[in-house]
This record gives sequence, structure tokens and C-alpha cells, in this order.
Amino acid sequence: KAGVTQTPRYLIKTRGQQVTLSCSPISGHRSVSWYQQTPGQGLQFLFEYFSETQRNKGNFPGRFSGRQFSNSRSEMNVSTLELGDSALYLCASSLKAGTQYFGPGTRLTVL
Amino acid sequence: SQQGEEDPQALSIQEGENATMNCSYKTSINNLQWYRQNSGRGLVHLILIRSNEREKHSGRLRVTLDTSKKSSSLLITASRAADTASYFCATDARGNNRLAFGKGNQVVVIP
Repeated sequence: KAGVTQTPRYLIKTRGQQVTLSCSPISGHRSVSWYQQTPGQGLQFLFEYFSETQRNKGNFPGRFSGRQFSNSRSEMNVSTLELGDSALYLCASSLKAGTQYFGPGTRLTVL
Repeated sequence: SQQGEEDPQALSIQEGENATMNCSYKTSINNLQWYRQNSGRGLVHLILIRSNEREKHSGRLRVTLDTSKKSSSLLITASRAADTASYFCATDARGNNRLAFGKGNQVVVIP
């Protein structure tokens, strides 16, 4: 099976802009989770989607949002970008609670 | 919230030696997992140990879990240069895909 794919791999934006990141899970996986990784805060959970519904949400401001489509592909959106949003954004899919399979990540740089 | 926390160790070892990392967490868990990350890329799942298990092996990996002390250890035997990476432990609540990661251990294996 193909692994989790994320697009784009690298992104450069300026403050105030918005960005959309995409994640395609492993075939058959209905759960998609998103994480932010920064040197200062480490890996932090953003949200999880299951069958097009947000099932869990982390402690991030409303500027961070996501959605999931009927084919389980997911997108996350960050509006009004801030310098502190520069991070590696990781997507993970899973068949059930437990092992998560991560994609290669999208490296977002905000200037 | 649950949180996995590794001892803040940066290990530098010779190829062939064993590497041990520790992790502690704060609340009751369902599973504890270990992941590896190479150079800011995606996370690779290594091993999952359930809360009712005490020890688990997978190839050169050995994981122990002590729920009374809320701690886990990861042992990599006969290390190789390719084991150079950051290692993270992650915990999750029952039936929950919301992983809480520790800060990670940087391991450097010198050929």
C-alpha cells in the first residue's frame, strides 16, 4: 500500500496570508490526525478527523482549521499567518486507535 | 492532558553498542508508542506497548513499560549508523488517537 502523502512538501508564505495543506491517508484508513512540530514546543496535536467529522481538537487558536472529504483525504488551513506558525506540519492516518502512520510533512516558513 | 516525556538525553555511542532511552508520563494511558524521526522528516512507528504489557520486543528493539512508575524505556541493541535519529515516545488515552509526544532523544551512532 502507498503510504501517507502530504502536499506541498515546502511552502513559504508571508505574515497575514493563509495556507492550505493537504494529506492523503493510507487506503482504507478513515482517521486522519494533524500535528505541528516546532523546535520550541515539540510535537503538538492539532486535530483528528474521522469519517468527515472532527473527533478531537488540540489547543490551537481558531485560525487553525481542517476538514476531511468523503475519500478520507484531509486538508488543514491556517489563516492570518504569524511568524510563530513556521513549523513542520505532519499528518498521520490510522485504521483504529493505536498505531499512526505519518507522512513526510509539510515544512511551512512564514516570513 | 497526557504527556510522554523523555529524559533529556542526547546519546552519542559507537556502532555496536546499546542505546537506552527513558520516557515518563503523567496520567493513565491506553498505549505507549515509540517513533523515530530522521532529520526533520516524518515519524516512523517503531513499537507499541499496551498498558497491560510489561515488555515487548521487535527485532533489535526492546521496550519496557512500568505503569506503577508511569515510565517506559526503549533499548536498541547492537546499534548501527542508520539508527542515528531522534526518538519520541507518545501516549494516548483510551480509544483516542490524540497522541501526546515527549521532547525526543537525539541519538548519534558513530561508525
